[in-house]
Amino acid sequence: LAKTTQPISMDSYEGQEVNITCSHNNIATNDYITWYQQFPSQGPRFIIQGYKTKVTNEVASLFIPADRKSSTLSLPRVSLSDTAVYYCLVGDRFSGGYNKLIFGAGTRLAVHP
Amino acid sequence: EPEVTQTPSHQVTQMGQEVILRCVPISNHLYFYWYRQILGQKVEFLVSFYNNEISEKSEIFDDQFSVERPDGSNFTLKIRSTKLEDSAMYFCASSGTGTGRQPQHFGDGTRLSIL
Repeated sequence: LAKTTQPISMDSYEGQEVNITCSHNNIATNDYITWYQQFPSQGPRFIIQGYKTKVTNEVASLFIPADRKSSTLSLPRVSLSDTAVYYCLVGDRFSGGYNKLIFGAGTRLAVHP
Repeated sequence: EPEVTQTPSHQVTQMGQEVILRCVPISNHLYFYWYRQILGQKVEFLVSFYNNEISEKSEIFDDQFSVERPDGSNFTLKIRSTKLEDSAMYFCASSGTGTGRQPQHFGDGTRLSIL
């Protein structure tokens, strides 16, 4: 499983766009990039997943450059409720059906008024 | 939106006692997982389950742990003789196909406190 590196913490203010970058230099051809969000005392919540280029949903955008060695989660116009830990995970999409997730420490985002 | 539900939300148990944590995965999902998170630490994989058998388990998932799908809707984690170090949040997750293309959906966990 490819190792990921992301900042330990970030601070932002309400209404700003937040970009969290994750490095995954050893990503394999079959690997997908997935981001989860976790609030205190809650389970991780799936945000977005991508393989290459750009993916957008109602919550976030995911930018993946051509070499796929990094990815950036973009949260538009954050609010206080976006304060959470954000995890970047890389995993084989053909993992034989046994898709265990390996979580790192994540990025602790604090949104201030 | 369908969700994974876990009960109880908080379980307090004496050391050495057995505990069963319950989960109702999303109804059409085929793959089931347990994770745990000790306070202030990372989310750790425990076990994955498919077709009524364990697919993979971590080193944490020793002989004191077992999982079961007793009927078509529930998925349980049993800890036979709890230890103080079993105190943690336990999360159940489920996914459709189990490949990386299908994200796992998590419940909000059971906080297990061992006294």
